[in-house]
Amino acid sequence: AQTVTQSQPEMSVQEAETVTLSCTYDTSESDYYLFWYKQPPSRQMILVIRQEAYKQQNATENRFSVNFQKAAKSFSLKISDSQLGDAAMYFCAYRSGSNYQLIWGAGTKLIIKP
Amino acid sequence: KAGVTQTPRYLIKTRGQQVTLSCSPISGHRSVSWYQQTPGQGLQFLFEYFSETQRNKGNFPGRFSGRQFSNSRSEMNVSTLELGDSALYLCASSSGTGGSHEQFFGPGTRLTVL
Repeated sequence: AQTVTQSQPEMSVQEAETVTLSCTYDTSESDYYLFWYKQPPSRQMILVIRQEAYKQQNATENRFSVNFQKAAKSFSLKISDSQLGDAAMYFCAYRSGSNYQLIWGAGTKLIIKP
Repeated sequence: KAGVTQTPRYLIKTRGQQVTLSCSPISGHRSVSWYQQTPGQGLQFLFEYFSETQRNKGNFPGRFSGRQFSNSRSEMNVSTLELGDSALYLCASSSGTGGSHEQFFGPGTRLTVL
C-alpha cells in the first residue's frame, strides 16, 4: 500500500524568507502523481503544485517549486519570498495513475512571522 | 465558472441519527470524490463516483454510503451516527478519472455529532 509521510508537524519562517517542507512517500508503482495542497483557516483545499512521476524536471509555480527525488521517494516543497498569505496547513498527497483516490500526508502547519 | 459547492456547511446531529451531505461539482465535471478530515486520522478517502458509478471505496464501514445523480451531483449518507463521525467532509470534483486530472475541492461540511 502507498503511504505518504510528512515529518514536520509545524514550520515557521520569517516573512520574505525561504522555507522547505518535506514529504516522503512509498510506492511500488511507476505511474503516479504527487501534489502539494494548501488548506488555509477557511478550510478550502487549494492545489499548490503537482508533479508527474515520469517527468524528470521539477515543477514550479511562481514562488513555489518542488524538489522531486524519485529514487529517494522524496517530494519537498520550497516556498520562496514567503508572504503572510502563505500561512496554512500544507498537505502532500499521492495519486496512482490508475486509481482515483488521493493518499494524504499528515500535514505541516506553516507559520509566517511578520 | 462556479466552484464546487457543498451543503450544508455546518451540521449538528446526535448519536444514532443519520445525515445526508450534498456536493455539486464544477459544471462539466463527472467525477466526484469524498474525503473525511479529522484531527486524529487526518484526511481519508471515502469514495469516488464517475458517471453515477462508484469507482473506488475507502476503508469505511457500511454506514457510509453515497450516490451520484445524472447531473453529477453527489450525496453521501452516514447512518447511525457515532461520536467519531464528527469531521470535516470534503468533496472534490474533476473532469475525468485517473491521476492526471486535478481535483477541485469544495469548502467542506463540518459535521458535529453530540
